[in-house]
Amino acid sequence: AQSVTQLGSHVSVSEGALVLLRCNYSSSVPPYLFWYVQYPNQGLQLLLKYTSAATLVKGINGFEAEFKKSETSFHLTKPSAHMSDAAEYFCAVSEGSGGGADGLTFGKGTHLIIQP
Amino acid sequence: GAGVSQSPSNKVTEKGKDVELRCDPISGHTALYWYRQSLGQGLEFLIYFQGNSAPDKSGLPSDRFSAERTGGSVSTLTIQRTQQEDSAVYLCASSLESAAYNEQFFGPGTRLTVL
Repeated sequence: AQSVTQLGSHVSVSEGALVLLRCNYSSSVPPYLFWYVQYPNQGLQLLLKYTSAATLVKGINGFEAEFKKSETSFHLTKPSAHMSDAAEYFCAVSEGSGGGADGLTFGKGTHLIIQP
Repeated sequence: GAGVSQSPSNKVTEKGKDVELRCDPISGHTALYWYRQSLGQGLEFLIYFQGNSAPDKSGLPSDRFSAERTGGSVSTLTIQRTQQEDSAVYLCASSLESAAYNEQFFGPGTRLTVL
């Protein structure tokens, strides 16, 4: 069974500071990993995904994440936070063996707050 | 092009009533997913369709929940005899095919409130 743990339900950073959102996963098979962002009253938008190619994945809006198998982690980072980054961020895992039929398993989410 | 659309955007109903939630996936997407988002449970996967077929319905919370998809396109999620614990945002997503590595595109959701 797959699972995702996001450390920190709320993370607050100053504008211009480094953003680090943590995600650890558990999977019985090589996973596919995703980061989604949700702005208020909107659906989820894909930021980036890991599909067993490069371990450092670059996404939209300057975000990137690094897959570390030894640490079962897929932390999301951005060098310099912008006020528009304030949103809810979800890490998700999908197991290849399910062929998509198991859907995505999401973490509880991290609310990112940007201080001016 | 058009994204995933859901209707209604908001639904308020009385306990015990039936509700139908609709999802229009992106044209050409063969896979369709339903999720539920609530404060207590976070984002939960409910059911998946490949074409018109749902291989596994075990993710549905109870037998009051059912879903169907017709013509490989529109899907409806029906909740019978609604309960207050059904209050949540119901999200629909679609992807080009059912491969686990494919991006799922999400709709804006239907916010269901059961009084």
